[in-house]
Amino acid sequence: GAVVSQHPSRVICKSGTSVKIECRSLDFQATTMFWYRQFPKQSLMLMATSNEGSKATYEQGVEKDKFLINHASLTLSTLTVTSAHPEDSSFYICSARQGDHTEAFFGQGTRLTVV
Amino acid sequence: AQSVSQHNHHVILSEAASLELGCNYSYGGTVNLFWYVQYPGQHLQLLLKYFSGDPLVKGIKGFEAEFIKSKFSFNLRKPSVQWSDTAEYFCAVNGGSQGNLIFGKGTKLSVKP
Repeated sequence: GAVVSQHPSRVICKSGTSVKIECRSLDFQATTMFWYRQFPKQSLMLMATSNEGSKATYEQGVEKDKFLINHASLTLSTLTVTSAHPEDSSFYICSARQGDHTEAFFGQGTRLTVV
Repeated sequence: AQSVSQHNHHVILSEAASLELGCNYSYGGTVNLFWYVQYPGQHLQLLLKYFSGDPLVKGIKGFEAEFIKSKFSFNLRKPSVQWSDTAEYFCAVNGGSQGNLIFGKGTKLSVKP
């Protein structure tokens, strides 16, 4: 299957700083990328959906000013956690697909720890 | 709201035992159903999917799942597990308003050698 690369896989940051997570589709053009968050022993919960060249659509309860998403090209989407707090510590996973009704492929996830 | 329920949080089996992981969904539309596996430290990988046709779906690594529409279920099975099947398994349905998948909480499978 297609490859989605997510970077970094782990990051530790101080409270109040910002962290950027990258999601790249390596061998296909991703018209849509999804950002999920997973708490321990919980489901993957969709945070936002980004389509190349347009603003991301955020799920209810997700602060768009805190979780900035940029989908500037067909192969790259970024999630920036701004002014991170310990409660933002979580596992963030992106997935990408080439078009509607096609399979989405997942990145390996990023473990964010805010201290 | 659409939801996916996985009944078992943690399943522990010995090698060669048979496996069945439960998955029920609640979604009123046409469903596409998925099982993903996540090995320790690795990506989510697609095990199998159901879009239409034969409700018994065969996936990779000897896994299969059966879609039973009347029960809103899509249980995952494997007749004989191996130690290498130790992983977390997620059931998902395409029910999101953005075309996204809705996931169950996952079932951790531990296979004892």
